[in-house]
Amino acid sequence: DAGVIQSPRHEVTEMGQEVTLRCKPISGHNSLFWYRQTMMRGLELLIYFNNNVPIDDSGMPEDRFSAKMPNASFSTLKIQPSEPRDSAVYFCASTLGVRASPLHFGNGTRLTVT
Amino acid sequence: AQTVTQSQPEMSVQEAETVTLSCTYDTSESDYYLFWYKQPPSRQMILVIRQEAYKQQNATENRFSVNFQKAAKSFSLKISDSQLGDAAMYFCAYRSAVVVAGNTPLVFGKGTRLSVIA
Repeated sequence: DAGVIQSPRHEVTEMGQEVTLRCKPISGHNSLFWYRQTMMRGLELLIYFNNNVPIDDSGMPEDRFSAKMPNASFSTLKIQPSEPRDSAVYFCASTLGVRASPLHFGNGTRLTVT
Repeated sequence: AQTVTQSQPEMSVQEAETVTLSCTYDTSESDYYLFWYKQPPSRQMILVIRQEAYKQQNATENRFSVNFQKAAKSFSLKISDSQLGDAAMYFCAYRSAVVVAGNTPLVFGKGTRLSVIA
């Protein structure tokens, strides 16, 4: 299996621009999670989906952030408009719905907003 | 809400020696899972070891083992025979077993940066 696939690996954009991060979970996994990692705040959960349905988006910092999962094999995290404080590494992770199954992480997208 | 605390921002160990990374957590639940993840400079998040709270036996994976103390809400990671490749950030994570609508997310500690000295 190819694992969780995220794109792009790096993204550099200017303040005010729209940014879209993409994630393909492991085939057969029924839950998908978006995390943000910064030096100051560590790993924070932004939103997660079970069976393509958003369950908890309380971690989404502002209305500028939105996430979708149109089908079981694809999810997007969009920031519009982007701001310098959005600069971070964004991880996508997926897991099976079985007891103690771990989260499998993608390699992350490093976002830099100038 | 559950919280995870890693009180050691940085640790170092001599190659071939043993090191223990600390983790405590706060929860009112009785059924949950605990994990240690490793993040090398490549930033990939790699599962090291997992523990189910209802299992009293401490989990072991080759050179990695845990000391799970449920009453004390402590979950430390021991790395034996440390190798240069063990240098990384190590994250302790908690996951509730209470199923409301499918799977539950991981709650992470802030991490411990481990250096291995040759």
